[in-house]
Amino acid sequence: QSALTQPRSVSGSPGQSVTISCTGSSNDVGAYNYVSWYQQHPGKAPKLVIYDVTKRPSGVPDRFSGSKSGNTASLTISGLQAEDETDYYCCSYAGTYFVFGGGTKLTVL
Amino acid sequence: EVQLVESGGGLVHPGESLKLSCAASGFTFSAYRMHWVRQAPGKGLVWVSCIESYGGSTKYADSVKGRFTISRDNAKNTFYLQMNSLRAEDTAVYYCARDGGGLPYWGQGTLVTVSS
Repeated sequence: QSALTQPRSVSGSPGQSVTISCTGSSNDVGAYNYVSWYQQHPGKAPKLVIYDVTKRPSGVPDRFSGSKSGNTASLTISGLQAEDETDYYCCSYAGTYFVFGGGTKLTVL
Repeated sequence: EVQLVESGGGLVHPGESLKLSCAASGFTFSAYRMHWVRQAPGKGLVWVSCIESYGGSTKYADSVKGRFTISRDNAKNTFYLQMNSLRAEDTAVYYCARDGGGLPYWGQGTLVTVSS
């Protein structure tokens, strides 16, 4: 049950796009289309921004999008805004358990 | 409005036990798989356990298997995490969360501190 691998940090300027990767294995990310992404501001509960690899919950801006290729899932945030600066986590179903990534800190320059 | 409210956290010594509760409202509790996710201070999210809607099937992270037990009472719209043989590394904020297309609903979290 190894954690999914995310970059520790990414950055971008307002208006630009950034992509956060989430690498797992053929047992989790590669096996199931059940990857979700969460945004977490300090001291707050996580907020779901993408589920089932590409689906966006109601109320989440369409600037947030998800994709997957092989064992790697990705979250892309376009038109970066200051309020996007925080931590992001991926999560995958793995058959007999679920697993999160280590988290990525997004900095808006 | 969906609400999840955790309770039962606190300070315990290594080796002791604690039982967390998560009271749910605003949805048909018996229809959803429910999860516990924890976050150590300054660290990332870690999935802990889940229980199917009917309560018959449970899953655990290897780090808690054999020590933690998840259960639910659909009549009380509440599910639980019994934590035994607690270790310092179990210190974390424990969140309960509802399934249904990822984890769209989370509680506010309850802090468990394991320290001598």
